[in-house]
Amino acid sequence: GEDVEQSLFLSVREGDSSVINCTYTDSSSTYLYWYKQEPGAGLQLLTYIFSNMDMKQDQRLTVLLNKKDKHLSLRIADTQTGDSAIYFCAEATGFQKLVFGTGTRLLVSP
Amino acid sequence: DVKVTQSSRYLVKRTGEKVFLECVQDMDHENMFWYRQDPGLGLRLIYFSYDVKMKEKGDIPEGYSVSREKKERFSLILESASTNQTSMYLCASSSIQRPTGNTIYFGEGSWLTVV
Repeated sequence: GEDVEQSLFLSVREGDSSVINCTYTDSSSTYLYWYKQEPGAGLQLLTYIFSNMDMKQDQRLTVLLNKKDKHLSLRIADTQTGDSAIYFCAEATGFQKLVFGTGTRLLVSP
Repeated sequence: DVKVTQSSRYLVKRTGEKVFLECVQDMDHENMFWYRQDPGLGLRLIYFSYDVKMKEKGDIPEGYSVSREKKERFSLILESASTNQTSMYLCASSSIQRPTGNTIYFGEGSWLTVV
């Protein structure tokens, strides 16, 4: 079955790098996603990676994919207080159905 | 830009009421989804639709039904609302035509409280 796991909480200081980790179980997933949710808001797509890639970089965001270990990570460089939010990883299955992790709450302190 | 609009941001309904949550997308997407978000559980798929008048059950369809009479609109229906359906509901849509990857867009969410 499909299951996506994330740690629930991460706390960093402003300016540090944040690394949010995710493990998934469905090896047939073609796309893996990172979404950001700010308080009271919907989901904002941050980035996604195709399953045949190992890494994707987009400005301050770096996504690493280890298919062998079914491990996905999101690194945020120079973390700012505005990055405080809940981050969800998700894997896409048939018909682009998403299976989400529980979300990691990132707290950035000044 | 893709826009997914959920008509109601905040609703308070009584137990037993019939509740309609409406979602409209403006990008001619084939796929539409309804998710439910609860703390510590992430988002769980209730129903999805890959075409007009087509629907498929997701992981937690009990107590819900859906309607897709037009391509742009996907409605979630709670036939008889119960307190355990108090939650945030998120609608999403996606196209299978995008050449650069499958990208799924979400609405702002509807907060439903059943009292």
